[in-house]
Amino acid sequence: SQQGEEDPQALSIQEGENATMNCSYKTSINNLQWYRQNSGRGLVHLILIRSNEREKHSGRLRVTLDTSKKSSSLLITASRAADTASYFCATAAFGGSNYKLTFGKGTLLTVNP
Amino acid sequence: NAGVTQTPKFRVLKTGQSMTLLCAQDMNHEYMYWYRQDPGMGLRLIHYSVGEGTTAKGEVPDGYNVSRLKKQNFLLGLESAAPSQTSVYFCASSSGDYGYNEQFFGPGTRLTVL
Repeated sequence: SQQGEEDPQALSIQEGENATMNCSYKTSINNLQWYRQNSGRGLVHLILIRSNEREKHSGRLRVTLDTSKKSSSLLITASRAADTASYFCATAAFGGSNYKLTFGKGTLLTVNP
Repeated sequence: NAGVTQTPKFRVLKTGQSMTLLCAQDMNHEYMYWYRQDPGMGLRLIHYSVGEGTTAKGEVPDGYNVSRLKKQNFLLGLESAAPSQTSVYFCASSSGDYGYNEQFFGPGTRLTVL
């Protein structure tokens, strides 16, 4: 079963607004990572938050992690048209001999100019 | 510094044909991975390698083989292509165990099997 699942599946906002995407997962994790994928391109790593961290910032990005609720959120502030992309969460959990990274299905963000 | 590159970018195969996808990275990373991405499915790991000369199965390895003869290259082979292998394939690399480190992705190969 899917470890990380993003919500909503799609989000449409106006330029300048904030965008919030959520990720829920089922089992204990070592860390949670967020990636961005522009249409037709590869994934780009945005931020990694470890299980003992609660919040991380990177520029206009803010990620929170609540291990008790097994959920994370990605906030993009003051969005721009260039932020239009799919956003994926990926959870890292120990599985057998090493860690497994499992990707969710993504949230498609559209920022309208 | 090109990062992760993939060859080819597009390919159309007929059922039963074979092909090899090439991934190259210039970051001296130990770990390399092959994923496939299908609509509504997210990314699924096919095979991965933790170093030169090593390979291991991922979540969906059937119908694929891999080789890591050189540290910088990771090859994905389809011996007898099937329509179910129509997908976008991504290669990635990381400096250490992907549980701890970010992954760097290539631009993808779009494969269609008729």
